Amino acid sequence: EIVMTQSPATLSVSPGESATLSCRASQSVSNNLAWYQQKPGQAPRLLIYGASTRATGIPARFSGSGSGTEFTLTISSLQSEDFAVYYCQQYNKWPPMTFGPGTKVDI
Amino acid sequence: QVTLRESGPALVKPTQTLTLTCTFSGFSLSTSGMCVSWIRQPPGKALEWLARIDWDDDKYYSTSLKTRLTISKDTSKNQVVLTMTNMDPVDTATYYCARTTLYVPGFDYWGQGTLVTVSS
Repeated sequence: EIVMTQSPATLSVSPGESATLSCRASQSVSNNLAWYQQKPGQAPRLLIYGASTRATGIPARFSGSGSGTEFTLTISSLQSEDFAVYYCQQYNKWPPMTFGPGTKVDI
Repeated sequence: QVTLRESGPALVKPTQTLTLTCTFSGFSLSTSGMCVSWIRQPPGKALEWLARIDWDDDKYYSTSLKTRLTISKDTSKNQVVLTMTNMDPVDTATYYCARTTLYVPGFDYWGQGTLVTVSS
């Protein structure tokens, strides 16, 4: 099973600043990685798939990069609605598909 | 417009079998490339993928839960059903169904989730 780790666990930023979130896989997942945003009481929302392709309707301030075992989600100019928990997920070698433990972005 | 909605009991007793239904609209599971997964999230914890069923009836299961899970579909009703046997308090979680396609490999549409509590 591929284990996903994320850092930091919590990231404190101010509105208007940028945030860089990291995700690491225990073995190469190529570019078969997705990012999700989850707000309290809501289902996750797909942000990025294929490591760098924004999903439909996702603002350009969200960008993904990386391949192999190291990935980054960058949120430029954070808006108030961006404060949430972010998860990465690999779908390269499965079952099982596996998620990271999440990074909470707070003010 | 794609929507998914989970339904099932809010409370189950230990050792009982849980049956959850995902009713969806806006796509058909008989269309090539369409897939539906079940994912759960214990309170305050991370997401855990459970199972997936594909348009061609291929089925995939979490390796750790495989012996307890069964996924099936009723294409005519636009429903996917997940059963989980021998429920335990550690299975308390919000259970989501979500769509994947071969063209957008992430989970692009999710249900709102249903909280299942396992307690005697």
